Amino acid sequence: DTGVSQDPRHKITKRGQNVTFRCDPISEHNRLYWYRQTLGQGPEFLTYFQNEAQLEKSRLLSDRFSAERPKGSFSTLEIQRTEQGDSAMYLCANIPWDGANVLTFGAGSRLTVL
Amino acid sequence: DQQVKQNSPSLSVQEGRISILNCDYTNSMFDYFLWYKKYPAEGPTFLISISSIKDKNEDGRFTVFLNKSAKHLSLHIVPSQPGDSAVYFCAASGGGGADGLTFGKGTHLIIQP
Repeated sequence: DTGVSQDPRHKITKRGQNVTFRCDPISEHNRLYWYRQTLGQGPEFLTYFQNEAQLEKSRLLSDRFSAERPKGSFSTLEIQRTEQGDSAMYLCANIPWDGANVLTFGAGSRLTVL
Repeated sequence: DQQVKQNSPSLSVQEGRISILNCDYTNSMFDYFLWYKKYPAEGPTFLISISSIKDKNEDGRFTVFLNKSAKHLSLHIVPSQPGDSAVYFCAASGGGGADGLTFGKGTHLIIQP
């Protein structure tokens, strides 16, 4: 499978717990994005990486959200002290090179906070 | 502040007829526009795109029209098929940032047999 892979597909957690999502991008696609999608809304940009460098993180929703991309390969998105409002679909996407415009999305990780 | 707007949350079209999905944008710096299709429990998949230097792009049953002066684009699907039932997102890039794409809220297209 050469597409964008996300794990887990669905996570149910209790309020206050920490969760981590993983994204394995298309190999050699150097720009990686995280988006959040809530019900009735389009995907909302959170952050992105150029290789291992996180170039934009001001749109992360709060300081409870953090993302990493060690070695410029897979990426993780962590949410600490989850709240019910964090319930959403978290999408990872790739762009193959700078200047390309078409994002290739993974299937997403759905978070349900009880 | 919604920079990309899809004002129709849903649209119902009979199989075989034309489906027209509309999208408006406010940021005049957008220079590339895309349509994505999303089935439940899947990520969005790229459908068709258009650069701001063009006013039409066609790919099989799908045609996207861009009216820059009106800041409006539309997606035409002809003929509509049952498998076209999905949520369609309009997206734009080039708004001066490096945020990837800015998406609308989506339109749920339902193709009636």
